[in-house]
Amino acid sequence: QAVLTQASSLSASPGASASLTCTLRSDISVGTYMIYWYQQKPGSPPQFLLRYKSDFDKKQGSGVPSRFSGSKDATANAAILLISGLQSEDEADYYCMVWHDTAWVFGGGTKLTVL
Amino acid sequence: QVQLQQWGAGLLKPSETLSLTCAVSGGSFSGYYWSWIRQSPGKGLEWIGEVKPGGTTRSNPSVESRVTISADTSKDQVSLSLTSVTAADTAVYYCARWSWAGPGDVWGKGTTVTVSS
Repeated sequence: QAVLTQASSLSASPGASASLTCTLRSDISVGTYMIYWYQQKPGSPPQFLLRYKSDFDKKQGSGVPSRFSGSKDATANAAILLISGLQSEDEADYYCMVWHDTAWVFGGGTKLTVL
Repeated sequence: QVQLQQWGAGLLKPSETLSLTCAVSGGSFSGYYWSWIRQSPGKGLEWIGEVKPGGTTRSNPSVESRVTISADTSKDQVSLSLTSVTAADTAVYYCARWSWAGPGDVWGKGTTVTVSS
């Protein structure tokens, strides 16, 4: 089982909100991890969006709008990237990442379509 | 602002060694970790390893036996060497500035490496 699991795709309408989920493997607890989120558009490298461990330990990437935010769902053992007020420019792939054991590990990514 | 310029051979044969270099300009070199990340065609991201100039290196267990990452503080450059490549190593390779605060806050444009006989 992968350390981080993300839905392969998600669609949402302009102006709406989108919740992208990153589920941790069942033997590790989301509460103990700092979760990092990235946005990647076609033909470009990923861009760091934000990191989130708790409401007291989080940081937005430089220039990243506040409509991108992080949270956790302990019941689901998952991290969430919430994008509010969706814009067409938000259409991209989104990846979560953690430091696990001895390596940085990425989720498989979610392709967000805004239509 | 900080810029990363990458270069290296883009076409390799199986069993050859992949060599890439990443030059850092416009900011501190020694104060950060520098990572290599790759992305196979149509696939997700894989962290390969990182180096702190003048300090430690770490690498992904998936490639640890084949990878060497080094830093040249006289040139502000980071290098990646991956031996015995196979088709599975075909990917876009990125260098990126890495820190616990914001890993990957600056990225190179990527280098496409194809392994084919």
